[in-house]
Amino acid sequence: GENVEQHPSTLSVQEGDSAVIKCTYSDSASNYFPWYKQELGKRPQLIIDIRSNVGEKKDQRIAVTLNKTAKHFSLHITETQPEDSAVYFCAARLDSNYQLIWGAGTKLIIKP
Amino acid sequence: GAGVSQSPSNKVTEKGKDVELRCDPISGHTALYWYRQRLGQGLEFLIYFQGNSAPDKSGLPSDRFSAERTGESVSTLTIQRTQQEDSAVYLCASSYKWAGNIFFGSGTQLSVL
Repeated sequence: GENVEQHPSTLSVQEGDSAVIKCTYSDSASNYFPWYKQELGKRPQLIIDIRSNVGEKKDQRIAVTLNKTAKHFSLHITETQPEDSAVYFCAARLDSNYQLIWGAGTKLIIKP
Repeated sequence: GAGVSQSPSNKVTEKGKDVELRCDPISGHTALYWYRQRLGQGLEFLIYFQGNSAPDKSGLPSDRFSAERTGESVSTLTIQRTQQEDSAVYLCASSYKWAGNIFFGSGTQLSVL
């Protein structure tokens, strides 16, 4: 079955700098890759997603890139701000008949 | 409703008691998930319902855990003979079958004393 690995487990960056979180997946048939943000004490919420027919997607300060050959996808956050501090989860899915397979999460700390 | 609704939001119980957690998915969502999240940890998959298909129960940690869903509506997660290690936040999520993203409820914080 599908397996998703996420790195790093903790990432500390200076406010204003960029942050990159990477996930690798095992099943080349996976075609949907969302990223969720979970603030302390709150529910996970979708921040951006990408499908396998697209290589990159941007939404203001966040972007996701997908490398199907290498089977990895990354979350990029530019000009980080204190409100970006949270745990970020990546996931992968084969198709609509299958559940999402989750990475272990990355705790992002933005240093003032 | 406007979102996924879970009840109760908090549940304190004594070891050995049974508990029932409820999830109301977004109307029309055919897929429903239950996850367990221990403090500071990731999302631990428990069970997945997709329409009228047989549920994927592969994540249930023991036979003390069970879940039901009537059609495409409410789901109930039951934990029998609770143990202290069952203490966690139990999150429910739902989605349309053909959509990718899932929407989470705010969870039930279960504390087993």
